[in-house]
Amino acid sequence: NAGVTQTPKFQVLKTGQSMTLQCAQDMNHEYMSWYRQDPGMGLRLIHYSVGAGITDQGEVPNGYNVSRSTTEDFPLRLLSAAPSQTSVYFCASSFNPLSHPEQFFGPGTRLTVL
Amino acid sequence: AQTVTQSQPEMSVQEAETVTLSCTYDTSESDYYLFWYKQPPSRQMILVIRQEAYKQQNATENRFSVNFQKAAKSFSLKISDSQLGDAAMYFCAFPGISDKLIFGTGTRLQVFP
Repeated sequence: NAGVTQTPKFQVLKTGQSMTLQCAQDMNHEYMSWYRQDPGMGLRLIHYSVGAGITDQGEVPNGYNVSRSTTEDFPLRLLSAAPSQTSVYFCASSFNPLSHPEQFFGPGTRLTVL
Repeated sequence: AQTVTQSQPEMSVQEAETVTLSCTYDTSESDYYLFWYKQPPSRQMILVIRQEAYKQQNATENRFSVNFQKAAKSFSLKISDSQLGDAAMYFCAFPGISDKLIFGTGTRLQVFP
């Protein structure tokens, strides 16, 4: 199993550009989520999904969109990048949030918005 | 509100010694899980240990163990026989409302030879 994979590893954008961060998992996990990590603030939840076709907002959803058309994939879209979105982004998944809530993380994407 | 607090931004320990990282949390739930994650310089988030709140026995994984005090809402991580590879950021976390994982702000652990 590859686990949770994310692409790209690094990205530089200009203000106003849009892009999609890719996330995939091959563990048949129902629950997937996106976090951003900023210095001194731990990880904050952006969006999450409890299964294909179902998404919901987390703590800091503004400026981001997600979709979940398959169990495996959970892309994160930046609609119009802003410098405040400079961060490290992590995708994570878990088998079942009730019985197996431990989340497995991808390697992260470092995004810089100029 | 459900919160997680790590009051030690930085800790240091000498190789082979023992160190304890603190974590307190606030929840009105009675049954929940608690986790410690390690983030080395590679940035990868690695699950270190998990504790189920309904279990009175403290979880142990090799050199890592927890001291879980449910009434005090305290969940500390003890690392025994510290190794250079233990140097990392450590995050305490637990699933909050709708099972969304809530993280503390982290403790940076340095290990000196």
